[in-house]
Amino acid sequence: EPEVTQTPSHQVTQMGQEVILRCVPISNHLYFYWYRQILGQKVEFLVSFYNNEISEKSEIFDDQFSVERPDGSNFTLKIRSTKLEDSAMYFCASSNQAGTEAFFGQGTRLTVV
Amino acid sequence: QQQVKQSPQSLIVQKGGISIINCAYENTAFDYFPWYQQFPGKGPALLIAIRPDVSEKKEGRFTISFNKSAKQFSLHIMDSQPGDSATYFCAASTHGGATNKLIFGTGTLLAVQP
Repeated sequence: EPEVTQTPSHQVTQMGQEVILRCVPISNHLYFYWYRQILGQKVEFLVSFYNNEISEKSEIFDDQFSVERPDGSNFTLKIRSTKLEDSAMYFCASSNQAGTEAFFGQGTRLTVV
Repeated sequence: QQQVKQSPQSLIVQKGGISIINCAYENTAFDYFPWYQQFPGKGPALLIAIRPDVSEKKEGRFTISFNKSAKQFSLHIMDSQPGDSATYFCAASTHGGATNKLIFGTGTLLAVQP
């Protein structure tokens, strides 16, 4: 069964460092997303990406964040200068149509120390 | 208006019982309402979803009831099993357009006691 895969599963980084979280969405999907979940809280939307550009972003997704689809399979989230409050689980998701099932990866636990 | 309110925050049910989780929304543009199941350390997994043109959808032991006029929907888990113990999130989004971001509820931690 196709699935969304994310690497690494856990990333520890020093405050102020850059991190890149990687995702391989389901191959025939066209819509890609990043969400985050602070421990014990709800899942929050960060950004959506369609047709090689950002289609929507939340207020959380400030200038420190960027996304890229560098090739036909990978989808990355970069945080330029991490802060302690960026510590969370980051989930990549994909769907093949807008307004239909979104499939989530297993997540990357980011810990900023 | 973008919020989805979910209750209860936690729920304890005996094995074989019925688990009921409720959600309410304000934005009438929402037209897709999925439920996700999340186990500790895992990503949310789509469980069942409904669109507002039907009032109920059933898949196995899981049923969504939808009340469009009240802007409420609920998940019913029949014959609850210990393996159902997880966090359940309702969500809502709009169909079409360049994005269909999911707005999640705050989650319900379900514990099914054997």
